Parts: sequence; structure tokens; C-alpha cells
Amino acid sequence: GEDVEQSLFLSVREGDSSVINCTYTDSSSTYLYWYKQEPGAGLQLLTYIFSNMDMKQDQRLTVLLNKKDKHLSLRIADTQTGDSAIYFCAETSSGYSTLTFGKGTMLLVSP
Amino acid sequence: DADVTQTPRNRITKTGKRIMLECSQTKGHDRMYWYRQDPGLGLRLIYYSFDVKDINKGEISDGYSVSRQAQAKFSLSLESAIPNQTALYFCATSDWTGGRNGELFFGEGSRLTVL
Repeated sequence: GEDVEQSLFLSVREGDSSVINCTYTDSSSTYLYWYKQEPGAGLQLLTYIFSNMDMKQDQRLTVLLNKKDKHLSLRIADTQTGDSAIYFCAETSSGYSTLTFGKGTMLLVSP
Repeated sequence: DADVTQTPRNRITKTGKRIMLECSQTKGHDRMYWYRQDPGLGLRLIYYSFDVKDINKGEISDGYSVSRQAQAKFSLSLESAIPNQTALYFCATSDWTGGRNGELFFGEGSRLTVL
């Protein structure tokens, strides 16, 4: 089946930028997503990018997509302690059937 | 009130018992999903349903069954619970016709412990 890989842990200091990386195998991926899970809660969509885009910016968030290398990244500028959470990369193929999630990256922001 | 409601939120049970986790949604979405979350393994899809008459197995359906009682209700059953089904279970919904194609809306999760 299709696979989505992420590093499991990232630690940064408050005010720094965070970059969370993701690789995927499905060459027919159409939409790629970043979800955020705060402690004790379900996942919430942070942002998404359509596969014909290279970059998308949304306030402090920048998503970069390298379709050739099947690499997706999420940059959080001026990271705050409230950004501490698990971040999941996910993709869906052209069939729009179901999402495949990565294992999640735990971001820890220290003061 | 939450758009996607899961009950119970926490459950401790014994090996061999039958357990049902329930999910209801007020978003009017046709598509509903059950995921399981384990530390270090991320989210894995158990079952999904695209409408009331549609049920599909996901990546890890063995040991589970589902029922789509109505557009708004999707329940997950463990017929005979075993300890390795101890996990956090999430229900989610989506609207294929929405602007953010494929966006999932999650419940707050049901934590199940099987002793």
C-alpha cells in the first residue's frame, strides 16, 4: 500500500522556526495535508496543498511541495509553546477515497 | 456541542468482552471513518463508509465490525476484545463535495483499555 513517512520527534526553542518533513510514495497523490493533534484532542486540519502547487503560505505556516522527490514540508515561523503538538502529514490520491497518514511528528517547543 | 461526538470517551474492559464504540455527527456528511491511534504507529484506518449502504474495510479491520445505522451514526464493535486492541479510537467525517476536498473532522477520541 501507499506509505507516508515522517520523523517522530522535533524539539525547538520558542521563537525559532520549526520544519517538519514528510515523504510519500503515491505518485498520484492529489491533495496533501498537515493535521495537528493537541494533547487529549482529535486531529484538526492545519493546512493543505494541491499537488499542482509548489508552495502555500498561511500566516506563520509555509508548506513546500517537491512533487519530483515526493517530499512535503511544513515550516512554522516564530514557533510558540502553544505549537507543541503532534503533526501528521497525510495524502489522498486522485480517487479521493481515503487519507493515508504518516506516523506523526511530536513537536516540543521549549521556552 | 461537538460536531462529531464519540461515546464512551474512556472504557476499561476485560479480554473476551464485546465492546461498542459509538459515533454521531451533526455535520451532515456522508462519509464516516474509524481510525485507531497507537504511539509510534500513527493513525490506521479500520473501516469507512461513504453512505448508509456502503461499508469498506480499511487497513486493519480484523477483529472489528461496524454498523452505519443512519447518515449521522457509525458504530465500531469489538466482538471479543483482546489486549492488543488497547488504543485510542477516533471517528471522523468528511464531505467529498467540500471546498477542502478530503478534509476530515475528528471526534475527541475513545480510549479503550483491554485487560
